[in-house]
Amino acid sequence: DAGVTQSPTHLIKTRGQQVTLRCSPKSGHDTVSWYQQALGQGPQFIFQYYEEEERQRGNFPDRFSGHQFPNYSSELNVNALLLGDSALYLCASSLRQGWVGELFFGEGSRLTVL
Amino acid sequence: QKEVEQDPGPLSVPEGAIVSLNCTYSNSAFQYFMWYRQYSRKGPELLMYTYSSGNKEDGRFTAQVDKSSKYISLFIRDSQPSDSATYLCAMSADTGGFKTIFGAGTRLFVKA
Repeated sequence: DAGVTQSPTHLIKTRGQQVTLRCSPKSGHDTVSWYQQALGQGPQFIFQYYEEEERQRGNFPDRFSGHQFPNYSSELNVNALLLGDSALYLCASSLRQGWVGELFFGEGSRLTVL
Repeated sequence: QKEVEQDPGPLSVPEGAIVSLNCTYSNSAFQYFMWYRQYSRKGPELLMYTYSSGNKEDGRFTAQVDKSSKYISLFIRDSQPSDSATYLCAMSADTGGFKTIFGAGTRLFVKA
């Protein structure tokens, strides 16, 4: 049973560019959350998708957008990249019904903005 | 003020020591309290979760929640070098996994 998979694992972009990160949730999970983790910090909630809709959003600008597909996989898009967007982007999946606090994380996509 | 405060450490202890990790929070609506462990270059993994107040024990790990003080703790008994990692507290206000908020994480080093 595959866990949460993310791609790409590493990428380097320059300021002003756009990036798309991808996530496949754990088998059977229907909810995907995205987090940004800066070096030495805890994960910061970006947004959560369920039934192909954004359900909750953290304090991130509109440059951060996402999508969830019918197979529950998800994408995170960041436009007009800034140096401060350099971070580890984590995808976490969960099953909405009967949730008791467990998020299953992928190993992340490490974005470097130059 | 951040919703969840956690001392980033680092915390260095000898093997076999009892480790105490703590978080405070400001949102009284939080009902689910979790501890995640994150090894270097890996995603976090859930260690324990607790609903509302009380204690929960799992092997060498004990989680405590004091909602009146808005304070949660994780105790690790007989700490091992393999416990060296970053420990993240996390909290959520409702079911369904709507929005889980994490602390900054405490880096723990257990010396053999």
